[in-house]
Amino acid sequence: SQELEQSPQSLIVQEGKNLTINCTSSKTLYGLYWYKQKYGEGLIFLMMLQKGGEEKSHEKITAKLDEKKQQSSLHITASQPSHAGIYLCGADRRQTGANNLFFGTGTRLTVIP
Amino acid sequence: DGGITQSPKYLFRKEGQNVTLSCEQNLNHDAMYWYRQDPGQGLRLIYYSQIVNDFQKGDIAEGYSVSREKKESFPLTVTSAQKNPTAFYLCASSPAGGAFHEQYFGPGTRLTVT
Repeated sequence: SQELEQSPQSLIVQEGKNLTINCTSSKTLYGLYWYKQKYGEGLIFLMMLQKGGEEKSHEKITAKLDEKKQQSSLHITASQPSHAGIYLCGADRRQTGANNLFFGTGTRLTVIP
Repeated sequence: DGGITQSPKYLFRKEGQNVTLSCEQNLNHDAMYWYRQDPGQGLRLIYYSQIVNDFQKGDIAEGYSVSREKKESFPLTVTSAQKNPTAFYLCASSPAGGAFHEQYFGPGTRLTVT
């Protein structure tokens, strides 16, 4: 079965520092989605990547999907306390007739002011 | 404002009791989903429904039941057969055939069973 592994599991950074979160799949990804979750709340969609080598940015967050479509990274530049939360990657399950995502284990980010 | 509501935010139950978690959406979405979130395990799919009166099991359906009698509502019952029911439960919805970035999540219900 497909698995999504995220690293690190938790991350503590000083405000203003850059950071990277990784999401690795055991199989080829057909669609990779990044979400942010504040503790005890729902998920907020950040970005979607579908093509090998694709890169997308929104404000200070950049997500990339490698050429082999098995690894994605999320990079935050000049982190702020508002970036704190749990970051989750999700993959298109590609089951026939199924419309659901398979999620990674999450990375908890703490930003110290 | 359109969105998904889950109630209550916190729920406490005694072991052996069934409990039903509410999920309502006014986004006119056809598909709805229930996920369970445990520390260090990310989200796992319990059940999903792509249309009224139809639903499919996800990865961890054992000990849970759902119904989809109305488009707006997808309640989840945690039965006494669920061995580890304490968790954070998230409901989501999306348009029919929509891409996953169109999946909207509710605020979640934290269930504690003692």
